[in-house]
Amino acid sequence: EVQLVESGGGLVQPGGSLRLSCSASGFIVSNFYMTWVRQAPGKGLEWVSVIHSSGDTDYADSVKGRFSVSRDTFKNTLYLQITSLRAEDTALYYCGRGRPTFHFDYWGQGILVTVSS
Amino acid sequence: QTVVTQEPSFSVSPGGTVTLTCGLTSGSVSTNYYPSWYRQTPGQTPRTLIYNTDTRSSGVPDRFSGSILGNKAALTITGAQADDECDYYCVLYMGSGVWVFGGGTKLTVL
Repeated sequence: EVQLVESGGGLVQPGGSLRLSCSASGFIVSNFYMTWVRQAPGKGLEWVSVIHSSGDTDYADSVKGRFSVSRDTFKNTLYLQITSLRAEDTALYYCGRGRPTFHFDYWGQGILVTVSS
Repeated sequence: QTVVTQEPSFSVSPGGTVTLTCGLTSGSVSTNYYPSWYRQTPGQTPRTLIYNTDTRSSGVPDRFSGSILGNKAALTITGAQADDECDYYCVLYMGSGVWVFGGGTKLTVL
């Protein structure tokens, strides 16, 4: 059974950093492209980043230069390093598994990041 | 900057048919954008409904269908039910490893 479980969220001050984790089971993370999507409170979904099976990465303009996605093959885990946090980064962050037809078929339950002083 | 547009809200009567659309502020949506659709109820994880324009995800009833209508992607729900009331999001693949979500449509069944 495919499962994605995020962790690492919490309350952080503006300008701070955090590393989110997405532990996968039921499949091999490095065989798929994996994505991060976020949802600010009361708002819609926003695509954030992707790591391709090749290891290449891409980012939304809103987070480019501040967020970094990576993976650990041995731990079968996806990461999102987020730095220089701003209030507008406050959101529920979901990890998702990508499919060849450019959609996402499995999602984690989400992890909350709150940026506030 | 390209913006993906969706109707902010829509209403349908029980048993009725509704078509939600997904467009671009500049240009037309085609199958080359691999449009996909997700539904989300409050506090829940998004669930895939349609991908690659018109392919239903596993377990999705055939009341849900995807298509290209004119210059937009479309999600049509027939025989609307009370539990279809939720938020619907489209997402387009823009190429070069970038996706963009629409702002979502809040569907009310009443």
